[in-house]
Amino acid sequence: DVKVTQSSRYLVKRTGEKVFLECVQDMDHENMFWYRQDPGLGLRLIYFSYDVKMKEKGDIPEGYSVSREKKERFSLILESASTNQTSMYLCASTLGSGEVGELFFGEGSRLTVL
Amino acid sequence: GQNIDQPTEMTATEGAIVQINCTYQTSGFNGLFWYQQHAGEAPTFLSYNVLDGLEEKGRFSSFLSRSKGYSYLLLKELQMKDSASYLCAVKNSNYQLIWGAGTKLIIKP
Repeated sequence: DVKVTQSSRYLVKRTGEKVFLECVQDMDHENMFWYRQDPGLGLRLIYFSYDVKMKEKGDIPEGYSVSREKKERFSLILESASTNQTSMYLCASTLGSGEVGELFFGEGSRLTVL
Repeated sequence: GQNIDQPTEMTATEGAIVQINCTYQTSGFNGLFWYQQHAGEAPTFLSYNVLDGLEEKGRFSSFLSRSKGYSYLLLKELQMKDSASYLCAVKNSNYQLIWGAGTKLIIKP
């Protein structure tokens, strides 16, 4: 079974802090994604990556950056956390290059910024 | 703009049948996904439709009409464990996924 593991289930940070969310997948998937999930809204894509060291902006990249130094690991970075970044963050991966197939999600990281 | 519409919440009775609708307006179409998400857990894949018609997978079926921009997820013989949110997502012509806000399904005994 594909496993996507996110480093932290729950985090509480203060405004202005730097936050790292890590995601690791164990099935050699090429494509990895970071979404945020908020009540009443569909999943919103923050960044995605189709290959090592490659990254593309999604729909809401402002205030975020990402790093993909190894194929299995995709990190989301909040350089200076703000209260409006309080959310559930979901990492996902999928096979293939270019097209989006079935997504495998991690358990999510619920971030609260005070 | 692009949007996916699905009901916010539905309630059904254990053992019954429920249909969750999804309508979409996207720039092109390259497939529609349904995912299930239990509270506090990761979404998991249920079905993928790219051609018109009904796809059956056990108690769950998914239907697509591309001309109407419409899909539904049919759940039969409902069980308490089916209480979850059901997410509809469409892959557009750029292979981007557009997500609905999800339908929270409540199953009552």
